[in-house]
Amino acid sequence: NAGVTQTPKFQVLKTGQSMTLQCAQDMNHNSMYWYRQDPGMGLRLIYYSASEGTTDKGEVPNGYNVSRLNKREFSLRLESAAPSQTSVYFCASRTGTGAEKLFFGSGTQLSVL
Amino acid sequence: KQEVTQIPAALSVPEGENLVLNCSFTDSAIYNLQWFRQDPGKGLTSLLLIQSSQREQTSGRLNASLDKSSGRSTLYIAASQPGDSATYLCAVRPLKSDSWGKFQFGAGTQVVVTP
Repeated sequence: NAGVTQTPKFQVLKTGQSMTLQCAQDMNHNSMYWYRQDPGMGLRLIYYSASEGTTDKGEVPNGYNVSRLNKREFSLRLESAAPSQTSVYFCASRTGTGAEKLFFGSGTQLSVL
Repeated sequence: KQEVTQIPAALSVPEGENLVLNCSFTDSAIYNLQWFRQDPGKGLTSLLLIQSSQREQTSGRLNASLDKSSGRSTLYIAASQPGDSATYLCAVRPLKSDSWGKFQFGAGTQVVVTP
C-alpha cells in the first residue's frame, strides 16, 4: 500500500519555465490537497479538492493551477515559474467523510532560478 | 482569519525528560485539531487527532489536550527518546463553511532529544 505518491522528488527550473507536479493516492480518498512549506512559515494551502471534479482555492493560489484528473490523481501546474515559488510542495489526502486524519506524500523540492 | 502559532520554534531536552509542545489558535470555531510529526526531508505523519468535543487524546507515550475556549492545545511526550527528535506541527480544521476541510497549520516546533 503506497499511500500518497508524489513525483518528481526534486526539480530545478529556470524562471518562466512550466512544469506539473503529480500526486496519486491509492486509499480511495475523496479529498486531496496541495500545500507548500517554506522555512518558518508552516504549511500553506495552495488548492483543495473536496471530491472528484471539484477544486477550491486555498491561501496562496496565485501562479498555480490544478487538475483533479480522477479520484486518485491531483496535479499541480506552474505555468510560468518564479523564484518566489521555490519551496517544498506536499500533496495530502483524506477520506473526506468525517473527522479523519490527513495523509501526506513525501514532498517535492522545487528550486526556481 | 485563523492564525495558528507554535512556541517555541525549537526545543532541546535531555533523554528521559518529558516534552511539552504548545499550539495556540485564534478562532475557537474548529472541527478538530491534529498533531503531526515531520522528519527531515520527509512528509508529515499524523500522530493524534482531537475532536472539538474532546478534551484529550492518548496514544502510547503521547497525550494531546485541547482547550477550545482558550484556543490552546498541548502535546505531551513522556520519557523522551533520541528517536523523538523531529519537527512537530499542529493543524486546525475550521468549522466555518467557507473554510470547511481547509486545514490551517502552525510553523512547527523543532525538537532535539540529546542522549
